[in-house]
Amino acid sequence: RKEVEQDPGPFNVPEGATVAFNCTYSNSASQSFFWYRQDCRKEPKLLMSVYSSGNEDGRFTAQLNRASQYISLLIRDSKLSDSATYLCVVNGGPSDSGTYKYIFGTGTRLKVLA
Amino acid sequence: NAGVMQNPRHLVRRRGQEARLRCSPMKGHSHVYWYRQLPEEGLKFMVYLQKENIIDESGMPKERFSAEFPKEGPSILRIQQVVRGDSAAYFCASLGQSGSPLHFGNGTRLTVT
Repeated sequence: RKEVEQDPGPFNVPEGATVAFNCTYSNSASQSFFWYRQDCRKEPKLLMSVYSSGNEDGRFTAQLNRASQYISLLIRDSKLSDSATYLCVVNGGPSDSGTYKYIFGTGTRLKVLA
Repeated sequence: NAGVMQNPRHLVRRRGQEARLRCSPMKGHSHVYWYRQLPEEGLKFMVYLQKENIIDESGMPKERFSAEFPKEGPSILRIQQVVRGDSAAYFCASLGQSGSPLHFGNGTRLTVT
């Protein structure tokens, strides 16, 4: 089983739609979670951190489910500019070596259609 | 407040030459990660360094690849005797403290001809 798994997509959705991505992780001791966005041939950029109680930033909502070991990203009112690959990142567990381990999912591709 | 700086942005090398990629972390960050991304693939961890120390190089090929992060100056990823399969985007990220998000540079695109 991969340490971090994402559905690669692509998800093709019309403008204005709501779309949700999930990401599962295997290490129950993982501490920190993030969503990044990567545009074609560019560097990954932090979209949002994911907090235990869930958090929202404008049209974006992130949630963490520790019991089932997954995080989710919800995008409301999709814009053309949301088209990108969304990367799930999990920061490893409490051991000395795990603390600094950041594991990336392979990403979910989103295409918002006019 | 400069972000993570990588140079060069683009690097072309012929087979057998050496490639040197540089990364200066964000001010105040002492942790550097290197990732490789092949076309149409995800980010693959290569190496994690702190100042003057390699902490985890489990993702680095055993031969031809090396990395350093000296006390002064940028982190360097060095690829000797490059081959066509080394063509990829190489991203550097820096970290302030454990559990915080990584901050990426805009990458070096290596093309081996």
